[in-house]
Amino acid sequence: EPEVTQTPSHQVTQMGQEVILRCVPISNHLYFYWYRQILGQKVEFLVSFYNNEISEKSEIFDDQFSVERPDGSNFTLKIRSTKLEDSAMYFCASSEAVSGEQYFGPGTRLTVT
Amino acid sequence: GENVEQHPSTLSVQEGDSAVIKCTYSDSASNYFPWYKQELGKGPQLIIDIRSNVGEKKDQRIAVTLNKTAKHFSLHITETQPEDSAVYFCAAKYNFNKFYFGSGTKLNVKP
Repeated sequence: EPEVTQTPSHQVTQMGQEVILRCVPISNHLYFYWYRQILGQKVEFLVSFYNNEISEKSEIFDDQFSVERPDGSNFTLKIRSTKLEDSAMYFCASSEAVSGEQYFGPGTRLTVT
Repeated sequence: GENVEQHPSTLSVQEGDSAVIKCTYSDSASNYFPWYKQELGKGPQLIIDIRSNVGEKKDQRIAVTLNKTAKHFSLHITETQPEDSAVYFCAAKYNFNKFYFGSGTKLNVKP
């Protein structure tokens, strides 16, 4: 069964450093998303991406964040200058259609020290 | 924006019993309501969903009901098994493809 994959599974970085989280969505899906989940809290929407541009973003997704689809398979989330409060689990998801089910990857645990 | 509330935060049942998890949402424009199961160390897995034009949907031991007037929806798991133990999240799609999640319910099924 096709699945969303994410790398790395765990990333430790120092405050102020840039990180790139990588995702490979399901191959025939056209819509891509990033979510985050701070430990013990709700899963929060960050951004959705379609046709090589951001279609929607939340107030969390400020100028420190960017997304890119550098090739036909990868979808990345970059955090330019990490802060302690960026420590969270980051989930990538994809869907075939805008009204379709979203399938989540296993997540990347980001720890900012 | 949308606000999704989920109850209870923890639920402990005996194997074979039923489990019910409830969610409410605030915006009547929400039209799609998925339920996700998250096991330790894994991403949320879609287990069932319902759209606003349907009142109930069932898939084997899992069912979801939606009351649009009251703006609440519920997950029902019958004949629970130990492997049903996980955290369950409800969500509501408010506009385009932005999901708002509930805070999660940790279900523990005791053998």
